[in-house]
Amino acid sequence: DAGITQSPRHKVTETGTPVTLRCHQTENHRYMYWYRQDPGHGLRLIHYSYGVKDTDKGEVSDGYSVSRSKTEDFLLTLESATSSQTSVYFCAIRSGDRTYGYTFGSGTRLTVV
Amino acid sequence: ELKVEQNPLFLSMQEGKNYTIYCNYSTTSDRLYWYRQDPGKSLESLFVLLSNGAVKQEGRLMASLDTKARLSTLHITAAVHDLSATYFCAVDRGTDKLIFGTGTRLQVFP
Repeated sequence: DAGITQSPRHKVTETGTPVTLRCHQTENHRYMYWYRQDPGHGLRLIHYSYGVKDTDKGEVSDGYSVSRSKTEDFLLTLESATSSQTSVYFCAIRSGDRTYGYTFGSGTRLTVV
Repeated sequence: ELKVEQNPLFLSMQEGKNYTIYCNYSTTSDRLYWYRQDPGKSLESLFVLLSNGAVKQEGRLMASLDTKARLSTLHITAAVHDLSATYFCAVDRGTDKLIFGTGTRLQVFP
């Protein structure tokens, strides 16, 4: 999607290993979010950021940490991956003007084996 | 805790027919969003509804918001196959967090 990229697009990792997903934006937006999508659950908020070094937990934050050292990058780390963290992860950004809503990245499909 | 419920969860409809998807939410909010997702793809923004009584239309889709009833509807007029996708509503309660419904999978057949 224009202005927001996620990497990697696909990843397979082993149980117990740390994994970091990256979200990069070129829109200079203040707000950034990480969601996971699982069948039957829609999208659930993991963590979000409202500025550099300002982050907070969402509804499913256990086992995840985040960092935002620059406006353009928001990193999601699975500290010790488990099979229950197999999911599709989406990053989203939002400007201060809610009129424009939220823009989502293309997603990262993570498989933990 | 904010809960967002959509119904139906699955909708199979014939081309040319009309139908409505409902989105109910549990706490006061005046910001509601509708998204479309095609299989294996990201979410595409359809509508942003920011006030009570807001109505927006794009092609065969029309969305409305009733904040008093805590209800939004997505109405489909004269469905076509290209509308087949999963539709999500999401609510922002002013806490800078978007909470999603579970989605409605729409399948339009000839």
